[in-house]
Amino acid sequence: EIVLTQSPGTLSLSPGERATLSCRASQSVSSNYLAWYQQKPGQAPRLLIYGASSRATGIPDRFSASGSGTDFTLTISRLEPEDFAVYYCQQYGSSPWTFGQGTKVEI
Amino acid sequence: EVQLVQSGAEVKKPGESLKIPCKGSGYSFSSYWIGWVRQMPGKGLEWMGIIYPGDSDTKYSPSFQGQVTISADKSISTAYLQWSSLKASDSAMYYCARLQGRWLRSPFDYWGQGSLVTVSS
Repeated sequence: EIVLTQSPGTLSLSPGERATLSCRASQSVSSNYLAWYQQKPGQAPRLLIYGASSRATGIPDRFSASGSGTDFTLTISRLEPEDFAVYYCQQYGSSPWTFGQGTKVEI
Repeated sequence: EVQLVQSGAEVKKPGESLKIPCKGSGYSFSSYWIGWVRQMPGKGLEWMGIIYPGDSDTKYSPSFQGQVTISADKSISTAYLQWSSLKASDSAMYYCARLQGRWLRSPFDYWGQGSLVTVSS
């Protein structure tokens, strides 16, 4: 099973600042099958990024992602108030699919 | 519009059985994998398993194999997550979600609103 470790656990920033979130895999993620999700309190997760760097439908371009192999990054270029949430990475290249433990982006 | 609609909150006693539904609409239900994800209170997301409604091919995470049963009835566009004997540790929010593509190696693109299961004596 691939273990995904996200860092930091909590990121304290202000609106307008840049957020950089990390996701490290215990072994190489097959074909960069890596996704990022956003979850706000009381809501279901929302797909932001798939294939390590492709934005999902309707996701603003302030969200970008990169990486390959075992190291992946999600960047939010300028934080908007609605971006304060918990972010999860997920690999879907090797069964069982697994999630990271999450990074909370807080004000 | 693609939608996955789940049942509301369930309150059960230890040892009871439970089957929670996830009804899909707005797309060809038989042709997309549906998965289940657990979120325990205040915790992260855990991938439980997945089913292809077209032929009921099912895959489980080792952590959940034997603990739950995933099934689907394509005639009514509904997937299910089932327990035969609930434990207090099964108390959590359970989400169903659809895979983006028609093959296994896809992320979840649409999610249900979640079903909150509380198991308490």
